[in-house]
This record gives sequence, C-alpha cells and structure tokens, in this order.
Amino acid sequence: EAQVTQNPRYLITVTGKKLTVTCSQNMNHEYMSWYRQDPGLGLRQIYYSMNVEVTDKGDVPEGYKVSRKEKRNFPLILESPSPNQTSLYFCASSPTGLTIRYEQYFGPGTRLTVT
Amino acid sequence: SQQGEEDPQALSIQEGENATMNCSYKTSINNLQWYRQNSGRGLVHLILIRSNEREKHSGRLRVTLDTSKKSSSLLITASRAADTASYFCASPSGNTPLVFGKGTRLSVIA
Repeated sequence: EAQVTQNPRYLITVTGKKLTVTCSQNMNHEYMSWYRQDPGLGLRQIYYSMNVEVTDKGDVPEGYKVSRKEKRNFPLILESPSPNQTSLYFCASSPTGLTIRYEQYFGPGTRLTVT
Repeated sequence: SQQGEEDPQALSIQEGENATMNCSYKTSINNLQWYRQNSGRGLVHLILIRSNEREKHSGRLRVTLDTSKKSSSLLITASRAADTASYFCASPSGNTPLVFGKGTRLSVIA
C-alpha cells in the first residue's frame, strides 16, 4: 500500500532533550516536506527536499534540522526542543517538487508536546 | 509566506445543503489544489486544477478557478455529515512548491 509513515505518532518530551521524528514513503517520490500545524495558523512548511541530498528551508525552519540521505526517508530533528515547538507535525511527499503538478501524500501526523 | 487564504474561516450548514468555500491567492500560479483534513488527521488531496482550466468536477465536488481575480472556489453539493472537516487550498509560491492557506472549517449538521 502506497503510504507515508511517521513515527512516533505521539511524543511528550522535556525542553532541551534532542529528538527525531522519522518519515518514510514507499512511493519512490522525489519531493518530501515537513509541516507544522497550529490552531489559527494553518499549515506552515518547516523544510522541504526536492531530492536526495537537496533540502531547503520553508517558512518556519528555526529550531529544526533535516537530512535526506535516502530517497524514502526524511527525518525531522529537534536538537533542543522548546515549548513553542509543541505542535502537530506532518510529513508529506510528492512525485516531484517541480512546480508541484502532483498531489501531496500526507502522513498521519505526530503530536509533539514539549514541557 | 502565505499564498492562499480561504473564506469563510468557518461554515455550518444542514445536511443536504451545498457548501461553498473560496480561496484567494497572491501571485500567479500554474495550478491550485484543494485538500481535506478530518480532525487531527493528515490531509487528503481532493482535486488539482491547472491554470488553463476554469472548472473541474470530482463526484460531488466542483472547483472553479479565476486567474484574473486570483481566486478559486470549492463547492460541495448535497453535503453529508461525513463532509465535516477542514478544507485547505494550496498553490506554489515563489520558490516554495506548495503553500497552504489557513483553511475553512466546515460543519455539516445532520
């Protein structure tokens, strides 16, 4: 089944404790992206990747890191989480990022709470 | 950088009625997409309309695009309780392949 998976689905952590949220897709998509969703602010893009080893900042990249060493995986790293990073996070992928002519497939989301 | 903005922010209708949501965007686009999100879940793609198309249908969904007014609308006909969700428009903006609006929350009351 074609899908985007994220792990973990729920995470409660403390300020400053490094964490990684994994994202994997099995559709051989070139484009992958991370979003955060907060009430009243909609979806905001954190980082995106047009292909392996090619990443770029979205609208809200501060406090986050990403890497794209393999086509299928696009982990989101929070080196030193802070309470303002408490949010619902989504990973998405698409066949190509070139002017996005294709739909994006979304993962189920990761609800992160930083205390 | 927000590209699309949906209107209204929230909409409440009775089952069987039609629901119309609008999206306005700022810069020229080559396509616009609509997504649905059930509470707390991942977004699901509904429809993509290209800049050279004016109208597109998919089941009970009808999307229009007016590039001269930089606007799009999503019409859901004969709404059902299961249509209760948030609806987002999304389009390319600058170097960012896809930027989402803040969404319209639709409530369909049985």
